[in-house]
Amino acid sequence: GDSVTQMEGPVTLSEEAFLTINCTYTATGYPSLFWYVQYPGEGLQLLLKATKADDKGSNKGFEATYRKETTSFHLEKGSVQVSDSAVYFCALSGQTGANNLFFGTGTRLTVIP
Amino acid sequence: GAVVSQHPSWVICKSGTSVKIECRSLDFQATTMFWYRQFPKQSLMLMATSNEGSKATYEQGVEKDKFLINHASLTLSTLTVTSAHPEDSSFYICSPAGRGVQETQYFGPGTRLLVL
Repeated sequence: GDSVTQMEGPVTLSEEAFLTINCTYTATGYPSLFWYVQYPGEGLQLLLKATKADDKGSNKGFEATYRKETTSFHLEKGSVQVSDSAVYFCALSGQTGANNLFFGTGTRLTVIP
Repeated sequence: GAVVSQHPSWVICKSGTSVKIECRSLDFQATTMFWYRQFPKQSLMLMATSNEGSKATYEQGVEKDKFLINHASLTLSTLTVTSAHPEDSSFYICSPAGRGVQETQYFGPGTRLLVL
């Protein structure tokens, strides 16, 4: 079945460091891929998405490229800020559409000044 | 984006008691509500899907008599964990959706339940 494997955390980085959070997936067909972020005390928010192979999603300095050949959707940011401290979830939409999301376990990122 | 609230944000209860979790979509008409659960170091797992005014559809392995879902209005859905046991301790998250299929889902902040 469909599934997502996400890099385990927690991850602690200094401000302005480079961030990579790995995500690989298993799916039949051609799912859409998402990164969600959850800030403390808030609900999950969509950070970026990609709907087909080689698409690059980007938002707030974060990027992720849909790599069908490696079934990956790694999240990257060139220079993290303290305000990026949150939990990041990789997800894919199942065959039945975007309302059937499969999530990774989440990666907690802490950025220290 | 849509504003979704959950209450309580966390709760501790004794084994055998029932706990009700409320999910409100404050600026959004939620014709569909998804309830997720997350155990420590595991993925969010979909528990059930409910449509306003009708019975919920539960995922395989989720006991419908234990996790009662009420979705009586477009702005409020409740999840009641009946006769809670320590193994029900988890993080419960609601996710409202509007009419039709949406590419973007909105999520509540979650409710952490600890059953002693």
